[in-house]
Amino acid sequence: NAGVTQTPKFQVLKTGQSMTLQCAQDMNHNSMYWYRQDPGMGLRLIYYSASEGTTDKGEVPNGYNVSRLNKREFSLRLESAAPSQTSVYFCASGGAQNYGYTFGSGTRLTVV
Amino acid sequence: QKEVEQDPGPLSVPEGAIVSLNCTYSNSAFQYFMWYRQYSRKGPELLMYTYSSGNKEDGRFTAQVDKSSKYISLFIRDSQPSDSATYLCAMSVAAGNKLTFGGGTRVLVKP
Repeated sequence: NAGVTQTPKFQVLKTGQSMTLQCAQDMNHNSMYWYRQDPGMGLRLIYYSASEGTTDKGEVPNGYNVSRLNKREFSLRLESAAPSQTSVYFCASGGAQNYGYTFGSGTRLTVV
Repeated sequence: QKEVEQDPGPLSVPEGAIVSLNCTYSNSAFQYFMWYRQYSRKGPELLMYTYSSGNKEDGRFTAQVDKSSKYISLFIRDSQPSDSATYLCAMSVAAGNKLTFGGGTRVLVKP
């Protein structure tokens, strides 16, 4: 099925560990996004990529890095995880003719 | 003040009632308006979208946009327990542009 695929679905990290969240879309969308969702805070944009080869900071970029590997893939890296990064992370993609995003199913990350 | 405001709820209604949800916004440049539905432990899914002002109906769902008041609404008629979810409004300046989301309203439809 066409859509946005995120891996892993669940992850537990110790403080200071690093990890990369993977995202791939097969809808030929130009734009891709990484959000985090916390109770009472809604969706907050971490980073986005308007097109292959470009990335820009969103609302809460500190502690994260991203790579737009190609048109399909957009990864999010936590270099030194902190408990404040415990959250649910969503990847999304959108096309120029689309009026909205398609979201992945999310990654539940716990940092202990 | 947030660019898009949405009452977090929860909004609890009996089955069969009309659910009324709304968002207010401050950026008059917004032209495209969307509603997303998010079930527990799932990603948001696009429910409806409208361009500029006016109404749009899709089955039991009606979306309204009043740009003069900077106010959008979603109505769910004959609500079902399966409508229990969090509903997020979102808007953008142009098609394909970055979306700005409201915080979401949690809805509970009781049998």
